[in-house]
Amino acid sequence: GAGVSQSPSNKVTEKGKDVELRCDPISGHTALYWYRQRLGQGLEFLIYFQGNSAPDKSGLPSDRFSAERTGESVSTLTIQRTQQEDSAVYLCASSLIPAGVSPNEQFFGPGTRLTVL
Amino acid sequence: AQSVAQPEDQVNVAEGNPLTVKCTYSVSGNPYLFWYVQYPNRGLQFLLKYITGDNLVKGSYGFEAEFNKSQTSFHLKKPSALVSDSALYFCAVRGSGAGSYQLTFGKGTKLSVIP
Repeated sequence: GAGVSQSPSNKVTEKGKDVELRCDPISGHTALYWYRQRLGQGLEFLIYFQGNSAPDKSGLPSDRFSAERTGESVSTLTIQRTQQEDSAVYLCASSLIPAGVSPNEQFFGPGTRLTVL
Repeated sequence: AQSVAQPEDQVNVAEGNPLTVKCTYSVSGNPYLFWYVQYPNRGLQFLLKYITGDNLVKGSYGFEAEFNKSQTSFHLKKPSALVSDSALYFCAVRGSGAGSYQLTFGKGTKLSVIP
């Protein structure tokens, strides 16, 4: 079946502009995660959605970052007033069963490479 | 706080030789441990996980990993490396407590298999 998809695959923007990144999880996956991967670094957790529960936003680096998810489907990550340090690959992942219930693996999308000039 | 260390930024190995990619972790309580692989311009792909039971875990593409509680390690291994194994490998950990759903990733180890 289809995996996690993300769009756009690449985004170049000017400093100060807003950007919106999209993630389509695997159908039926209740949990959705956003991560940031800076060049040469590991993955930084940003936000976690689980069903209709309040999302865990503890990893968002500033109030310029926000994310939404409609039910158990598409999620969008919005970065307002982008800065050069926001340049990174933004990865989305989904899992079938909430990770707090059982430690199922996460399935990752290909990522969106964001470049802020 | 949980953490993962991958002490080697890069590992080079000749094709056909055994490979090891090292990982150590720190977490409260019992760990859940994962290995992921990332090919160029691709997302991460799950390789294997340790939850409980046998310390030697077998995964995709002939990879295996050994959980060592006393050394807090979860090294990735393969008996005979292929050129196609060349990629970036990430170790990840999460705790087993309620609400412990955050995966903490290491910085990654670049594996180069030389023909």
